[in-house]
Amino acid sequence: IAGITQAPTSQILAAGRRMTLRCTQDMRHNAMYWYRQDLGLGLRLIHYSNTAGTTGKGEVPDGYSVSRANTDDFPLTLASAVPSQTSVYFCASSQDNGETQYFGPGTRLLVL
Amino acid sequence: GIQVEQSPPDLILQEGANSTLRCNFSDSVNNLQWFHQNPWGQLINLFYIPSGTKQNGRLSATTVATERYSLLYISSSQTTDSGVYFCAVEPGDSNYQLIWGAGTKLIIKP
Repeated sequence: IAGITQAPTSQILAAGRRMTLRCTQDMRHNAMYWYRQDLGLGLRLIHYSNTAGTTGKGEVPDGYSVSRANTDDFPLTLASAVPSQTSVYFCASSQDNGETQYFGPGTRLLVL
Repeated sequence: GIQVEQSPPDLILQEGANSTLRCNFSDSVNNLQWFHQNPWGQLINLFYIPSGTKQNGRLSATTVATERYSLLYISSSQTTDSGVYFCAVEPGDSNYQLIWGAGTKLIIKP
């Protein structure tokens, strides 16, 4: 079934640890995005990628890094997790920039 | 930066009722999208609507870009319509980034 998968579904992480959230899409979309959603708020863009090999910073990039080695995968890394990074993380993709975005199921992350 | 405001913040309705959700934005936009987040957290795109009117079953949306607002209409509400409805806009100078409103939480009672 075509779509976006994210892993893990949820994670409890000690502060200071490194963590990579995985995102894979099989729709051959060029653009991919990482958002965080905090309780009671809309989504905020962390990083994006317009095409394989390129990435860009969103609204809230500090403390996060991404890579886009190929079309399908767009991992998000927290180099040294802090409690303020506790959130639900959504990966999304669109055929091209500025087009309809499709979302993965999310990863719930708790940093203690 | 651009401000995106959604109203009302919360809405409770009986099954079968109609509703109108509003999204105001403070500057020109390249596009606007409406999303539904169900009670289990899944986000589904409803409309890609930079201007004009679109309909999909019981849902329809209208964006008046010159007046900087969009409306989402839900007719004959069902309990499965419950969840949070988000409006997200791409500002004119954004390099394709979406800025999201805080959402309208809709509860449909049976």
